[in-house]
Amino acid sequence: KQEVTQIPAALSVPEGENLVLNCSFTDSAIYNLQWFRQDPGKGLTSLLLIQSSQREQTSGRLNASLDKSSGRSTLYIAASQPGDSATYLCAVRRQGGSEKLVFGKGTKLTVNP
Amino acid sequence: EAQVTQNPRYLITVTGKKLTVTCSQNMNHEYMSWYRQDPGLGLRQIYYSMNVEVTDKGDVPEGYKVSRKEKRNFPLILESPSPNQTSLYFCASSPRDSLSGTQYFGPGTRLLVL
Repeated sequence: KQEVTQIPAALSVPEGENLVLNCSFTDSAIYNLQWFRQDPGKGLTSLLLIQSSQREQTSGRLNASLDKSSGRSTLYIAASQPGDSATYLCAVRRQGGSEKLVFGKGTKLTVNP
Repeated sequence: EAQVTQNPRYLITVTGKKLTVTCSQNMNHEYMSWYRQDPGLGLRQIYYSMNVEVTDKGDVPEGYKVSRKEKRNFPLILESPSPNQTSLYFCASSPRDSLSGTQYFGPGTRLLVL
């Protein structure tokens, strides 16, 4: 059974710092991995999606990497801003045509001005 | 605007009173799904649908029903709600077999069962 773990559960940093969020998964047979952002009381916004054949994806100040063989992904946020404060979730979709996403419990990020 | 909508956004009800949470998407997606999010447990899949009239159980289906009579709608039905179904519910959709695989999520429905 696929399990997704995110470390740390919470992170507080000063504005301007570069930071890394971690995601690990137990079954490397994944179709893709997706990072989401969730603001308090709001839905999930997709940030980046990495296909299993890819190593990384970039969008603005965000860079996500994937090492499928070791079951790890990282989300790198450059020059963090208070507006980046949110909970970040990673989710994996397994191979075999299933659309189901298995989520980690998230990392709650606070960027202090 | 491409979106997934849910109604209601907030609901307080009492044990045993049947309720329906609606979900609708305007992107012609085949796949739709319901998740619940609970503190310390994360998001867990309740039911999903691969297409019209095709539904299947997720990880935590007990106490829930769904239907998929039209492609755009995927309502979640709680026949006899109980307090342990107090949660934040999300509907999601995606095109099947898409290379992107991105799932689009609704804004969430916060349910309190007294």
